[in-house]
Amino acid sequence: GEDVEQSLFLSVREGDSSVINCTYTDSSSTYLYWYKQEPGAGLQLLTYIFSNMDMKQDQRLTVLLNKKDKHLSLRIADTQTGDSAIYFCAEGDYGQNFVFGPGTRLSVLP
Amino acid sequence: DAGITQSPRHKVTETGTPVTLRCHQTENHRYMYWYRQDPGHGLRLIHYSYGVKDTDKGEVSDGYSVSRSKTEDFLLTLESATSSQTSVYFCAITPGTGVYEQYFGPGTRLTVT
Repeated sequence: GEDVEQSLFLSVREGDSSVINCTYTDSSSTYLYWYKQEPGAGLQLLTYIFSNMDMKQDQRLTVLLNKKDKHLSLRIADTQTGDSAIYFCAEGDYGQNFVFGPGTRLSVLP
Repeated sequence: DAGITQSPRHKVTETGTPVTLRCHQTENHRYMYWYRQDPGHGLRLIHYSYGVKDTDKGEVSDGYSVSRSKTEDFLLTLESATSSQTSVYFCAITPGTGVYEQYFGPGTRLTVT
């Protein structure tokens, strides 16, 4: 079946760049997503990328997609303490259900 | 804001009791989902709905049932709660137009003692 994997923890210093990685198995998904979850809250859609794109940039966020290796990454530039959260990678398509990774807990150290 | 509310937000119940969680949306979206979130597992799909009275099972549906008698409400019922169902439950919707993305409610923290 479909599977999405992520490392569970990442720590960075404030002001550095964070890179959160994800691997997935279903190469047919049209969309790949990054969600952010802050403590006590639901998941918030951060950004998404179409499967026919290699890169998408949105302010401090850069998403890279390597379809050959089924690898997705999220880079957060100039990481701030407010970026501390759990980040989920997910894949989905019309007619299919979403599959989420286990989430990466990002800790930003002062 | 996708106009999704969940009730209750917190509940403590005893093993063997029935529990119903409610998800309410204000945007008349067709697709609604129930997930549970547990440490190390991310989000796992319990049940989903394509419309009124149209529901199907997800990955972890055992011990759960759902009902959708109105577009705006999607109910999740634990017929006889067990300690393994202690979790945070999230409702989500998909607008079904444009980009295929999901929007989530604030969650319900359920503790079964």
